[in-house]
Amino acid sequence: NAGVTQTPKFQVLKTGQSMTLQCAQDMNHEYMSWYRQDPGMGLRLIHYSVGAGITDQGEVPNGYNVSRSTTEDFPLRLLSAAPSQTSVYFCASRVKGGLGYTFGSGTRLTVV
Amino acid sequence: GQQLNQSPQSMFIQEGEDVSMNCTSSSIFNTWLWYKQDPGEGPVLLIALYKAGELTSNGRLTAQFGITRKDSFLNISASIPSDVGIYFCAGLNYGGSQGNLIFGKGTKLSVKP
Repeated sequence: NAGVTQTPKFQVLKTGQSMTLQCAQDMNHEYMSWYRQDPGMGLRLIHYSVGAGITDQGEVPNGYNVSRSTTEDFPLRLLSAAPSQTSVYFCASRVKGGLGYTFGSGTRLTVV
Repeated sequence: GQQLNQSPQSMFIQEGEDVSMNCTSSSIFNTWLWYKQDPGEGPVLLIALYKAGELTSNGRLTAQFGITRKDSFLNISASIPSDVGIYFCAGLNYGGSQGNLIFGKGTKLSVKP
């Protein structure tokens, strides 16, 4: 049982490049979310999904796109990377009605 | 939007000491959660509280859900070196689009052997 798997673990991008951060869970969880973690800021919600085909914006959605075509996968896309998007990104999932999220181990992204 | 104020920001303690940290909010939550994050890893759930006034223990950890539903605290007794990490409180309201976690900014715990 892998839980929540994020790839890659590390990535360096040049300003203006695009990329997709992958997230997959094998627990059949309905809810999935993307958070970014910056020093002294805690974790802030970027986008979330309550089920396949349904997504919505969180606290800091600008510069990011998501889609949810399957229950298992919830990729996060950066269309044109900016230095302000340098951060550690966490994907998380939970079952509907569950008490807490299960987090992946994170993707450390640096935009130069 | 909703915000959580977590304190202290950091703590440096001696092994064997007790630790206390707390979290307050300007709005109420249905559920309070406490997570721990080890370096290079994602947060891991320690304790979940879903009833105002509830006091719950998990080994050396004890957490309480405040009566007003706007605060929570976490105590760690007899700290050990592996308690090192960042501890986050999080509030959660179920229903509609509110089934998302709001995190505090974390308490960084350092333990001297």
